[in-house]
Amino acid sequence: GEDVEQSLFLSVREGDSSVINCTYTDSSSTYLYWYKQEPGAGLQLLTYIFSNMDMKQDQRLTVLLNKKDKHLSLRIADTQTGDSAIYFCAEKQGGSYIPTFGRGTSLIVHP
Amino acid sequence: DGGITQSPKYLFRKEGQNVTLSCEQNLNHDAMYWYRQDPGQGLRLIYYSQIVNDFQKGDIAEGYSVSREKKESFPLTVTSAQKNPTAFYLCASSILSGQGNSPLHFGNGTRLTVT
Repeated sequence: GEDVEQSLFLSVREGDSSVINCTYTDSSSTYLYWYKQEPGAGLQLLTYIFSNMDMKQDQRLTVLLNKKDKHLSLRIADTQTGDSAIYFCAEKQGGSYIPTFGRGTSLIVHP
Repeated sequence: DGGITQSPKYLFRKEGQNVTLSCEQNLNHDAMYWYRQDPGQGLRLIYYSQIVNDFQKGDIAEGYSVSREKKESFPLTVTSAQKNPTAFYLCASSILSGQGNSPLHFGNGTRLTVT
């Protein structure tokens, strides 16, 4: 069956880069997503990458996809205190419209 | 602005009472979903619906019920049979696309506390 794994916590200093990692198991994944959840709120779509891409950049966010290793990462440049949140990785398999979510990584940004 | 509205934001109930959580969307999405979120457990799918008057159980449907009488609305009832109902509940919607890009759009959640 499919599974999406993320580490639970990441702590960084303000101004540094953050790298949040995710691994998935299903090679038929077509789209991979990163969502951000601030305290007490719903999930907000940050970015996504199609499976035939290796990298996608959007302002401070860079997504890297290694299909061979089934590894996805989200890099946040110049991390700010407002970036403190839970980040969820999700994959969508071909033929399915329901994504599989990881458990989320809590990013803590300290001064 | 299009979006998903969940209400209320906070809900308190006594044990043994049924409670209904509201979810409305004006994105014209066909699919709607209910997730439960507990600390450290990520999101767990309760129910989902692809079309009006049809819905399917997710991974943890026991103790919950839903209806889909209108495309825009997908209310969730937490029944007294749900053994541990205190949680954060998230509603989402999406287009129906098997091969294409179909990210979920989420509401802001309802925090239910049962004592």
